[in-house]
Parts: sequence; structure tokens; C-alpha cells
Amino acid sequence: LAKTTQPISMDSYEGQEVNITCSHNNIATNDYITWYQQFPSQGPRFIIQGYKTKVTNEVASLFIPADRKSSTLSLPRVSLSDTAVYYCLVGENYGQNFVFGPGTRLSVLP
Amino acid sequence: DTGVSQNPRHKITKRGQNVTFRCDPISEHNRLYWYRQTLGQGPEFLTYFQNEAQLEKSRLLSDRFSAERPKGSFSTLEIQRTEQGDSAMYLCASSLPGEREEQYFGPGTRLTVT
Repeated sequence: LAKTTQPISMDSYEGQEVNITCSHNNIATNDYITWYQQFPSQGPRFIIQGYKTKVTNEVASLFIPADRKSSTLSLPRVSLSDTAVYYCLVGENYGQNFVFGPGTRLSVLP
Repeated sequence: DTGVSQNPRHKITKRGQNVTFRCDPISEHNRLYWYRQTLGQGPEFLTYFQNEAQLEKSRLLSDRFSAERPKGSFSTLEIQRTEQGDSAMYLCASSLPGEREEQYFGPGTRLTVT
């Protein structure tokens, strides 16, 4: 049973804000929500992690509602270089329960 | 520190041959992970080490695969009697245990089995 569900792909234009939502209905009390980004021919790169409410860093914001059954990664004013696959993961941040799904393929168009 | 490094970056081998990949983690990181990734899929967990101890291994991992981390620093992943289905990108990552544990990935080794 998949732990997370997210859209397979999204398109956007440069300068727009992009929101990618991830569903995780079976999230456990101790689970964190983590997002990674992957460019072609590179390993994934950590973007942001949160437990509840809102987290913001220099790259993105993560919004988590009170029931924590979903989360939204927000990328402000995307550029062409934000074209990548974005993965949502829940749970402990290591081991075989740290599961990457197929991710969301974001294409930013000029 | 230059991050996680992996060698070789590319490997082409014939079916039935053995191959070995090397991963050098970030020096102070005591957790090290191996993943496999095929086209269009996310990385698939293979195994992980804490220092020199191999703590978890995927239930899906064939006994042709073996990994070592003899001194708790670099690690090797060996695939014996390679099959065409082993063709994939093999990724290594390392981390420091903690509440906010971030895995740092290497560039990967792309294996092609002909």
C-alpha cells in the first residue's frame, strides 16, 4: 500500500508559484513529511521537512493542515531550472520505510 | 568536503560478469545507504549501514547483491552474475542521525548490462 500519493506531472510557466500536493492518509503520529528534488542524471536533493503547520526556507514552503493527511510544497516564482522530479516522503528519514514513490515531474516552460 | 562521491560513474558489463561500485560518504556521516533507480521511478532502497554495521537490507534484494562498509567509511556494492534486469542507476547517500535527518546523495553509478 502506497504511503503517499502525488500527481505524476505538472506544467507551469516561469515566474509562477507552483503548489504540489501530496496525500498521506495513513501518516503516523511520529512521522515527518520530507520533500526531495531530483534533476536528470543526479541524485535527489533535500528541499524541506516539516511536522505540522508551515515551514519555510530559502527554497520553498511546506504547508501541513491540522489533520496532517496531506501536505503542499510551494515553490515561489519558479524558473526553468526548477524543472525536476519532486518526491514527497513520510516517516522516519532512513531505512526501508523511507520510500520514494514515482514523484511529480514538474516542467517549467518559458 | 566535496559531498558524496561514487565510482565509477558509468559501467558497461556483459551478462554474467561481476561488478563492484564504490561510495565515499561525507566524512562525518555515519549512516550510508544504497538505492537503485530505474527510468521513471523513484529510488528504491537496497540497504543501509550505521558505521560498519549493515542494519537493514531490502526484502527484494537478491542474494547476488552484497554490500560492505568495512571500516565505517567508504562502502562497496557488488553484484554477482549480472543480469540485464540489473541495469539501473545505483545511488549512494549518507546522513547524520538526528531529528531532522537529511540524506545527501551522490551522483550515482549507471550500470548497463548487455
